[in-house]
Amino acid sequence: ETGVTQTPRHLVMGMTNKKSLKCEQHLGHNAMYWYKQSAKKPLELMFVYSLEERVENNSVPSRFSPECPNSSHLFLHLHTLQPEDSALYLCASSQDYDGRTYEQYFGPGTRLTVT
Amino acid sequence: QQPVQSPQAVILREGEDAVINCSSSKALYSVHWYRQKHGEAPVFLMILLKGGEQMRHEKISASFNEKKQQSSLYLTASQLSYSGTYFCGTERGTGNQFYFGTGTSLTVIP
Repeated sequence: ETGVTQTPRHLVMGMTNKKSLKCEQHLGHNAMYWYKQSAKKPLELMFVYSLEERVENNSVPSRFSPECPNSSHLFLHLHTLQPEDSALYLCASSQDYDGRTYEQYFGPGTRLTVT
Repeated sequence: QQPVQSPQAVILREGEDAVINCSSSKALYSVHWYRQKHGEAPVFLMILLKGGEQMRHEKISASFNEKKQQSSLYLTASQLSYSGTYFCGTERGTGNQFYFGTGTSLTVIP
């Protein structure tokens, strides 16, 4: 596989469920990102990891919990979500993150529906 | 903090030109441009840095006016493949958060 992959591509979950989104990058990059894309809203940056350390956490509710076990994998653990959390969740990676954002490569996204 | 893009939507005929603007209320260090086709992931086009040169990606070019805190994306002789939503992303400096703009939907028709 090449580029950035995300699984699952679609997910429907109830508000009491626990699920995880997975992202994998095959580009040898050191930084990874989670974004939320809702209809008619700008892409919202949720988390940034650089060399497996979280460097940004932009006031995201605690029901979203990221995990970066190594520089190639990024997870977003979900629990007790709300219907307004339904959105497209995009993962991205870049060569580096040193306080500046570089060219990002995006995965295809996970379409999440919370019922 | 998020940049504002204009226009929100534009429809062009093949071969026509278009300009998309990205404006910020704060001084900027960098402006990034991405294109997202329907149902696909955003794809990087170019980065413009403060004090840098005008950039180009195929027949798409962009400029960065630091004084006006604005970047413009120029699509010349548009092709059907240019259709999609164009996003700018901005940073105010090292350690500052990266924000994407509101997006501009571009449709090129034959």
